[in-house]
Amino acid sequence: EADIYQTPRYLVIGTGKKITLECSQTMGHDKMYWYQQDPGMELHLIHYSYGVNSTEKGDLSSESTVSRIRTEHFPLTLESARPSHTSQYLCASSPPGPLYGYTFGSGTRLTVV
Amino acid sequence: TQLLEQSPQFLSIQEGENLTVYCNSSSVFSSLQWYRQEPGEGPVLLVTVVTGGEVKKLKRLTFQFGDARKDSSLHITAAQPGDTGLYLCAGFDRGSTLGRLYFGRGTQLTVWP
Repeated sequence: EADIYQTPRYLVIGTGKKITLECSQTMGHDKMYWYQQDPGMELHLIHYSYGVNSTEKGDLSSESTVSRIRTEHFPLTLESARPSHTSQYLCASSPPGPLYGYTFGSGTRLTVV
Repeated sequence: TQLLEQSPQFLSIQEGENLTVYCNSSSVFSSLQWYRQEPGEGPVLLVTVVTGGEVKKLKRLTFQFGDARKDSSLHITAAQPGDTGLYLCAGFDRGSTLGRLYFGRGTQLTVWP
């Protein structure tokens, strides 16, 4: 079954730790995205990728980095977590063009203490 | 700057009532999508509307795209507790190099039995 998977679902970590949020999709989509979602706020695009070896920063200034070595895998890394990074992180993928919606993962709820 | 304004932000109704939520913008979009998000999950695509004036029906849900392709509405007939969730609209901007979606802040709908 085609789908998109995010791990871990929940993560509580101390300030200064390095973390990687995993995202994998089985649909062969070239386009992948990372969004940050806080209650009552719109989804903010933090990184996106057109395909292998293509990554760009989104609208929201972020101290995170991403990589796209394989089509199906789009991990997000925080080198040094801070309490301000506490949020819900959503990964998505899509075919190209305006007619197709995004398929989202279930998200990672990150808490930095 | 918020591209898409959704209203109301919160809506709490009894089972069996009808409701309409709105998504407005000053920008023209190639298409507009509606998603529903349940707690602890990612958004799930409900519908994509492409043509100005287009109306799409999905069982008890009716989606309309404004003639000028700047706004949209979602009408639910005889709401059920299973309709409870966060409803997000998203506009596809083909003018950007990415060709990406912009999300509104959502309408949180609660339907009481």
